[in-house]
Amino acid sequence: DTGVSQDPRHKITKRGQNVTFRCDPISEHNRLYWYRQTLGQGPEFLTYFQNEAQLEKSRLLSDRFSAERPKGSFSTLEIQRTEQGDSAMYLCASGAGTHALEQFFGPGTRLTVL
Amino acid sequence: AQKVTQAQTEISVVEKEDVTLDCVYETRDTTYYLFWYKQPPSGELVFLIRRNSFDEQNEISGRYSWNFQKSTSSFNFTITASQVVDSAVYFCALTGNTGNQFYFGTGTSLTVIP
Repeated sequence: DTGVSQDPRHKITKRGQNVTFRCDPISEHNRLYWYRQTLGQGPEFLTYFQNEAQLEKSRLLSDRFSAERPKGSFSTLEIQRTEQGDSAMYLCASGAGTHALEQFFGPGTRLTVL
Repeated sequence: AQKVTQAQTEISVVEKEDVTLDCVYETRDTTYYLFWYKQPPSGELVFLIRRNSFDEQNEISGRYSWNFQKSTSSFNFTITASQVVDSAVYFCALTGNTGNQFYFGTGTSLTVIP
């Protein structure tokens, strides 16, 4: 399978715990995006990496959220001190080059905060 | 501000009917890109089409066609002779020239009744 993969697919945690999600983009895709999607809504942009550089971060994103993309390959998204409002599907997408701009989405990680 | 509006929350059609999904966008950028994505019940978003702001030609791909009109800031999507497999949530999205941040609409849930 050469698509975008995400791990884990499901995560249940208790409020106040930290969680980390991983995204493996399509090989050689230099662009990587994280989104959050809640029921009945479209994906909400969280952050963007071009190679290893985090070039964009949503102003609505809490300081409890942090993302990394060491070496410009896989990426991790960490949420500290989770809250019930963090419950959502977290989507990762990758893309190649700078002109095409198409994104290819992974299956997502569904987070449930109890 | 960048914004995408999909006023149709849910649409139901009988198989073989044509259906048009509306998308209205707001942007101050002179160069921007518009997209449509399909999210089937399985959940993974699938890229359908990209359009840049300088190309207002309508596009047809099989049963799918897209009508881009800058004068009305709209990028509508028509499915001809709908099929049950077209049942999904469809999202319209917008990004500026850099592609650093994407804005998705809230989606239109299409149900095709056999």
